[in-house]
Amino acid sequence: DADVTQTPRNRITKTGKRIMLECSQTKGHDRMYWYRQDPGLGLQLIYYSFDVKDINKGEISDGYSVSRQAQAKFSLSLESAIPNQTALYFCATSDTSGQGLETQYFGPGTRLLVL
Amino acid sequence: AQSVSQHNHHVILSEAASLELGCNYSYGGTVNLFWYVQYPGQHLQLLLKYFSGDPLVKGIKGFEAEFIKSKFSFNLRKPSVQWSDTAEYFCAVNALGRALTFGSGTRLQVQP
Repeated sequence: DADVTQTPRNRITKTGKRIMLECSQTKGHDRMYWYRQDPGLGLQLIYYSFDVKDINKGEISDGYSVSRQAQAKFSLSLESAIPNQTALYFCATSDTSGQGLETQYFGPGTRLLVL
Repeated sequence: AQSVSQHNHHVILSEAASLELGCNYSYGGTVNLFWYVQYPGQHLQLLLKYFSGDPLVKGIKGFEAEFIKSKFSFNLRKPSVQWSDTAEYFCAVNALGRALTFGSGTRLQVQP
């Protein structure tokens, strides 16, 4: 879905390096999310943001940090990458109705390999 | 805390076979339920969702799911699968004001 973009799409890095994954959206959604996907584990929530001033830890936030620079941008950083952070990373956005209903829209993913 | 279980990790079917993928969740309150599909090499796409009303929900590409509140289940069904349905399927749930929780996924392989 071109409304949610992620850069880079693929990245190879070395242990100990700092890297940033970026997510941008043109949907005008307030809520943004970062997930990682590992085979057999499904998607695990790393961080989420319900608006620019609201950042929340997800299930597996250790080793990660995020920045919500604007409504449309939500970046994920690995301060010191380690091999078990090798995974597929997805950004998502969601809309809400007054009842708090959500449908999430996903970006194309960033495949990260940490050597 | 909310959680989602998908008991079928890998399903292999022949074309035209019927499909049912199980999904159970644990949360005592009102929930919203979703099925997402991930085709090989692609990102997740919404297949269908249940918020309220008729517990039988119809989605895209002939899929449907039935919400059974007493069983905390939201199973995905399709009467006749096609080779193009080969993908990974994720059940997800969220309660009001909470982020989505995903199941571990079911990989469906349809053989021609």
